[in-house]
Amino acid sequence: QVQLQESGPGLVKPSETLSLTCTVSGGSMGSYFWSWVRQPPGKGLEWIGYIYYTGKSTNYNPSLKSRATISVITSRNQFSLKLSAVTAADTAVYYCVRVADTHFPHFDYWGQGTLVTVPS
Amino acid sequence: QSVLTQPPSVSGAPGQRVTISCTGSSSNIGADYDVHWYQQRPGTAPKLLMYGNSDRPSGVPDRISGSKSGTSASLAITGLQAEDEADYYCQSYDSSLSGLVFGGGTKLTVL
Repeated sequence: QVQLQESGPGLVKPSETLSLTCTVSGGSMGSYFWSWVRQPPGKGLEWIGYIYYTGKSTNYNPSLKSRATISVITSRNQFSLKLSAVTAADTAVYYCVRVADTHFPHFDYWGQGTLVTVPS
Repeated sequence: QSVLTQPPSVSGAPGQRVTISCTGSSSNIGADYDVHWYQQRPGTAPKLLMYGNSDRPSGVPDRISGSKSGTSASLAITGLQAEDEADYYCQSYDSSLSGLVFGGGTKLTVL
């Protein structure tokens, strides 16, 4: 059973860079895309971006205007998210997820989520 | 404003049938991209409920079904149970945005 676990600071100052890591256990990262999804308190889900396990293919939500960077360290079974120039609007629960089916992508395994707060 | 439109809330009594709609456009659902559904109970991570429009992951009961037609998709739950009370989200791919999109979510209340 694949398990994902997010880790990183729960509080980030405005204008700084949010950094989160996801550790994958119970299976290999191979042959899958890996993604980040966030959810502001009391609101809906927003896809941030995804990366292929080789690190050679990425895709990001254009609404984030190039602030997001996802990278992968397959030797550690980890992938990470960096979100620059954060504001209070970036306060959310951040989930790391596995992407199933490259043709019709969807999310089959989710981490428990980690709350990141950016004070206003 | 979400790319995929869902009703904010639906409700039903135990044992009844409810449906949740997900309306898109010609750049996502209407472009023949599959629709997927997630269930999120309070305080927990979303869980994949339906993929490929109408396929259920292992462990999802067959009283839950999905369908797609034109630019819309629907999730149907029959024999409503208290455990079905949750938020439900649809998700697809959008070719105009070249990325994955979610509906705004629907809160299901079991009366």
